Amino acid sequence: DQQVKQNSPSLSVQEGRISILNCDYTNSMFDYFLWYKKYPAEGPTFLISISSIKDKNEDGRFTVFLNKSAKHLSLHIVPSQPGDSAVYFCAASVLGSEKLVFGKGTKLTVNP
Amino acid sequence: SAVISQKPSRDICQRGTSLTIQCQVDSQVTMMFWYRQQPGQSLTLIATANQGSEATYESGFVIDKFPISRPNLTFSTLTVSNMSPEDSSIYLCSVGGAGANVLTFGAGSRLTVL
Repeated sequence: DQQVKQNSPSLSVQEGRISILNCDYTNSMFDYFLWYKKYPAEGPTFLISISSIKDKNEDGRFTVFLNKSAKHLSLHIVPSQPGDSAVYFCAASVLGSEKLVFGKGTKLTVNP
Repeated sequence: SAVISQKPSRDICQRGTSLTIQCQVDSQVTMMFWYRQQPGQSLTLIATANQGSEATYESGFVIDKFPISRPNLTFSTLTVSNMSPEDSSIYLCSVGGAGANVLTFGAGSRLTVL
């Protein structure tokens, strides 16, 4: 039973355009959500997070949106750059617990 | 955030053998986490390693298959025992402390079992 789902295994966008990566979750107990980026042969690195008391969090080119009623979050990257090409993992947890539940990831390719 | 070194970075192993993965952190941490990423799958938590106590295993993972040591606050090992091809995965060590619920990961150890 997958509690965190990323239904798009891959996404391809043009440089300068917006990338939108989606994530759904099923466990209502989750109240903290994170996005990680992973390059080949490297470990995942933290990108941005959002608490369930917010519906939006922005950090430079990266914005995460949370829709609690739909149990859905999305990561927007604007503008997309070739260096953003990586696998992006959505993760969820209960605030205060360091146990993260991950989705399967979405491979983003940004074409020059 | 912490810097994590994992060894080996990759290995090819024979069925039935065991391999120990080492994780070294540049600072003292209370809890260390071991994750597994099977091909095309999500990162799945294997166990949480606390210094001075038995590791806590997640559902589906047992100590006989994945024994863990945590001799001090900067080091841990995960052994994958009696390996089969289904154990071919990337094994990742991680620690907290970089912010609320944020984990820092090592580069991972990619194991291929023939």
